[in-house]
Order: sequence, then structure tokens, then C-alpha cells
Amino acid sequence: DAKTTQPPSMDCAEGRAANLPCNHSTISGNEYVYWYRQIHSQGPQYIIHGLKNNETNEMASLIITEDRKSSTLILPHATLRDTAVYYCIVKGGGTSYGKLTFGQGTILTVHP
Amino acid sequence: DTEVTQTPKHLVMGMTNKKSLKCEQHMGHRAMYWYKQKAKKPPELMFVYSYEKLSINESVPSRFSPECPNSSLLNLHLHALQPEDSALYLCASSPVDREVTEAFFGQGTRLTVV
Repeated sequence: DAKTTQPPSMDCAEGRAANLPCNHSTISGNEYVYWYRQIHSQGPQYIIHGLKNNETNEMASLIITEDRKSSTLILPHATLRDTAVYYCIVKGGGTSYGKLTFGQGTILTVHP
Repeated sequence: DTEVTQTPKHLVMGMTNKKSLKCEQHMGHRAMYWYKQKAKKPPELMFVYSYEKLSINESVPSRFSPECPNSSLLNLHLHALQPEDSALYLCASSPVDREVTEAFFGQGTRLTVV
């Protein structure tokens, strides 16, 4: 699975959009980009995943660049409950495993 | 039901004790996992079970002994642990019959070895 690079921390004002970047320059053609988050003292929670098209669900949007070397997770209207560590994970398809390699992630702090 | 339930939530054990962590899911997932998370670090994979058989052991010391008695249950037996084994132990599950899938995590057991 390709390595990812994320900023260690970011701040966001409540109600504003939070844009979390992730670099994955060595991603290969069959690898997906996953995002999970971990709120303090809880288990990680799946947010969204994508291959090459932009994706949106009820939690967030995922924008993947055309060359697939980077992506951005967007929380459109951040709330205090979105304060968490956000992990960007690149993983091949076809294995259907939850064998996830977590990097250091980005600590997102949402301020009132 | 999309929950992975772990018990106990907290556990304090001595270095000579034997204890077990339990994980249960009723989503019909046939893959289950144990992760270990030290404070301020990301989770690290320990074991993977697929169809109740151990498929991956990430070179975990033998004082940690996993067991998968049926498709809904995963145990982690602990014996002769060291203080440095104190951590949050996370269980997860996922389907195995899909091209792309997500993992569902429990809330973890916070283990303290004294």
C-alpha cells in the first residue's frame, strides 16, 4: 500500500469548511484512497473512500486530483464534534480486508 | 446492527495475571482484526482472522494469544504481560466478499498492566 503524507495538525472555525489534504504520490492504479477519523478515546470511524472520481456522502466530500497523487477531504460545515484525528489511507482493492496501515494523521481542532 | 462490541472497556491486570478481551459483531462479517494503539500513536495491526482462521500475525509476542471461536466472536487472551503492553486494544471487522470495503471498529479496551 502506498505511503501517505498529512499535515500534523489543522484548525477550523465552527461552521466553516474543513479541508484536509493528503499526499500519496506513489499511489498505483488499483489503489483506493480511504479516510477514517478517530475521536478521542474511541475506535476509528470510516468516513469515505474513492478511486479517481470525486465522492460525496452524508459526512464529507473527497476530491482526488486528476493525477491521483493527492486528495482533499472536505467537511462542509465543521462542528465541535468533528474534532478528531483524521487518517488518510491508501489501500489496494480486491483484498476486502480491514488490514489498514495508519499513518500519523492530522489532528483537526474545530474552534467555537 | 452495525456495531462492534468490545468488553471490558477498561482492564487493569498484574504481570502474572491471565485475562481475556472479547469482541463481538453481528454484521455477518467474516474478517476480524485486533489492533493495538499506544498513547498519541496510530493503531497498529496485530492479527487478522478470515473465516475463523488466523491469516495474519504481525510478529506479535506469544503472550498475546488470539482466538476466533465462531464467526461473530473474537478473543484476545493475555498472559504474563509487561507494563509496556498497556495500550488501547481495538477490534474491527469487515466483509471479505467485496472489491472495496470498510472496516468497522469497536470502542476499544483500555488495558493497564501494573
